[in-house]
Amino acid sequence: AQRVTQPEKLLSVFKGAPVELKCNYSYSGSPELFWYVQYSRQRLQLLLRHISRESIKGFTADLNKGETSFHLKKPFAQEEDSAMYYCALSGRTSGSRLTFGEGTQLTVNP
Amino acid sequence: DGGITQSPKYLFRKEGQNVTLSCEQNLNHDAMYWYRQDPGQGLRLIYYSQIVNDFQKGDIAEGYSVSREKKESFPLTVTSAQKNPTAFYLCASSIPASGSYNEQFFGPGTRLTVL
Repeated sequence: AQRVTQPEKLLSVFKGAPVELKCNYSYSGSPELFWYVQYSRQRLQLLLRHISRESIKGFTADLNKGETSFHLKKPFAQEEDSAMYYCALSGRTSGSRLTFGEGTQLTVNP
Repeated sequence: DGGITQSPKYLFRKEGQNVTLSCEQNLNHDAMYWYRQDPGQGLRLIYYSQIVNDFQKGDIAEGYSVSREKKESFPLTVTSAQKNPTAFYLCASSIPASGSYNEQFFGPGTRLTVL
C-alpha cells in the first residue's frame, strides 16, 4: 500500500525566514512525488514534481529514497507563500491516480 | 479559469436524499477523478475514470456512484448510504493513463452540506 504523511498540520514562519514542509512516504517501488498548493480562494494546482528537479517560486524539493522523504524547502519565505500545501505520490502500479498527504497550512507572517 | 467546471458551488441536501455533483472539462483529458477534501485528512480518492465508459473505485467509494458516458463529463452521485456526506468535493482531470503520470488539473470544488 502507498501512503503519504505530512506531520505538521500547521506551520507558521516570519517573512524572510527559511521554511521546510515535511513529507514522508511509504511505497514499495520507485514512486513519483509531487507538491500541490492551494492558495486562498484558488484551485489546487501543481507546484513541482521531483522528476523535473526544478525550482518553482523559490521552492525546491529533493527526493531522498533512503529516508523516504520529499521535503519542500524555501530559503526566504514570502507572505504570498501562505497557502495549504499537499504532498502527493504516484506509483508505477497505480497508473495515473495520486495518493495525497493530510496537508500543511503554511502561514508567513509579516 | 475554465478548463474544469463544477456545479453548483454550494449544495444543501436533506438527510436521506441522493444528490448529483456535476464535473465538466474541455481539456480533452482522458482521465477524471473525484476527491473528497476534509480538514486534517487531505484529499481522498472516491472514484476515477481513465477512459470513457470505464471507472474504478478509489479509497472511499462506499456511498458514492459515478458514470462516464462522455469524455468531458464525470458526475458524482452522493447517495443516502454515505454516512458522512458533508464535505468539500473536488473533481480533477489529467491526460492519460497507461501507467505514466501526468499533472492533474482541479476544478473549483463543490461544498455539500447535509441538513
